[in-house]
Amino acid sequence: DQQVKQNSPSLSVQEGRISILNCDYTNSMFDYFLWYKKYPAEGPTFLISISSIKDKNEDGRFTVFLNKSAKHLSLHIVPSQPGDSAVYFCAASVSNFGNEKLTFGTGTRLTIIP
Amino acid sequence: DGGITQSPKYLFRKEGQNVTLSCEQNLNHDAMYWYRQDPGQGLRLIYYSQIVNDFQKGDIAEGYSVSREKKESFPLTVTSAQKNPTAFYLCASSIDRSGGYTFGSGTRLTVV
Repeated sequence: DQQVKQNSPSLSVQEGRISILNCDYTNSMFDYFLWYKKYPAEGPTFLISISSIKDKNEDGRFTVFLNKSAKHLSLHIVPSQPGDSAVYFCAASVSNFGNEKLTFGTGTRLTIIP
Repeated sequence: DGGITQSPKYLFRKEGQNVTLSCEQNLNHDAMYWYRQDPGQGLRLIYYSQIVNDFQKGDIAEGYSVSREKKESFPLTVTSAQKNPTAFYLCASSIDRSGGYTFGSGTRLTVV
């Protein structure tokens, strides 16, 4: 049962344009969401997160939007740069008094076209 | 420089042999995790440990074992009972969930 889903395995975007990566979840108990970026043969690196009490969080070129009623979050990258080409994972967790663990989506491979 | 070290980066083993993957962190994080990545399946949780001398099974623990005798170390043993051990294994640690996890660079295990 995939509780966190990324339905687009891949996405290609022109350099300088906006990249939008999407993520859906089924567990209504999730209250914290994160995005990770991963290059081949490396571990994922943390990008940005959002708590369920917010609907938007920005950090430089990266913005995450959360729509709780739709159980949907998205990551916007503006403007897209060649170094953004990587696999992006969304992840979610349930508050559990410090015993939280992350559930990851299947990933979306983003390719930025120069 | 703080971080997580996984070794080795590549590992080859014959079918039927147990193999242990190393994970060491100097971030003073209490929690440590092992994930497995397969093509098209994202990251799946194998085992996690919130504190020394304690650990819990994740979603795909069968065929794996762990120990947490020291805060810095969380080795993963892939036993001969694991039916499809060939995969990319990732170790992570965290102090709390607000900053997410810090991941190691991974170990690619190939069983022949």
